[in-house]
Amino acid sequence: SAVISQKPSRDICQRGTSLTIQCQVDSQVTMMFWYRQQPGQSLTLIATANQGSEATYESGFVIDKFPISRPNLTFSTLTVSNMSPEDSSIYLCSVEPARGNTDTQYFGPGTRLTVL
Amino acid sequence: GESVGLHLPTLSVQEGDNSIINCAYSNSASDYFIWYKQESGKGPQFIIDIRSNMDKRQGQRVTVLLNKTVKHLSLQIAATQPGDSAVYFCAENTPFSGGYQKVTFGIGTKLQVIP
Repeated sequence: SAVISQKPSRDICQRGTSLTIQCQVDSQVTMMFWYRQQPGQSLTLIATANQGSEATYESGFVIDKFPISRPNLTFSTLTVSNMSPEDSSIYLCSVEPARGNTDTQYFGPGTRLTVL
Repeated sequence: GESVGLHLPTLSVQEGDNSIINCAYSNSASDYFIWYKQESGKGPQFIIDIRSNMDKRQGQRVTVLLNKTVKHLSLQIAATQPGDSAVYFCAENTPFSGGYQKVTFGIGTKLQVIP
């Protein structure tokens, strides 16, 4: 498995501002994913971040609201733009390692976002 | 997917007993299934997986059963311990054309172990 870190671990933000969340992996990975987990709920995929190409967004999520960068095989960022209280969630990145079982995703610890 | 909001299904088990957590998946084309454990304040942690060509797989203290006929997955935890208290998610991996695959998570079950 891969070791994944996220920054920040938590933040409290004001309505209308933006927050960029970083995801760092200790090894090169082919696929990186960003999920949202609202309080007491399951995980919902926001987008798939592929190195060297634009992210692929799931239905209900758009690039203007959740811009993603993937500059290399070990790093990605997710920005939550023009935040509202409805964006309060845990944001998780996950990876599919380049080796081994390529279907298994491993998760970072999450970023707990509260929007006031 | 669907969720039950703040009212996750909860399973309460006495320490030392066996736990069985169930999951119904949605897509008959799904070919790979994973169970994750999520402790409070942490990201989901991989527990065990199973491919669709199998109906049972065992790990250390955990067993996953797959019934493709009724699209049902279960996780059995033997001799449940307080450290097993967490929310457990099943996930199904569905292949689409062009090599695209999508992972869909179930709603989760909260396991409470009673000492």
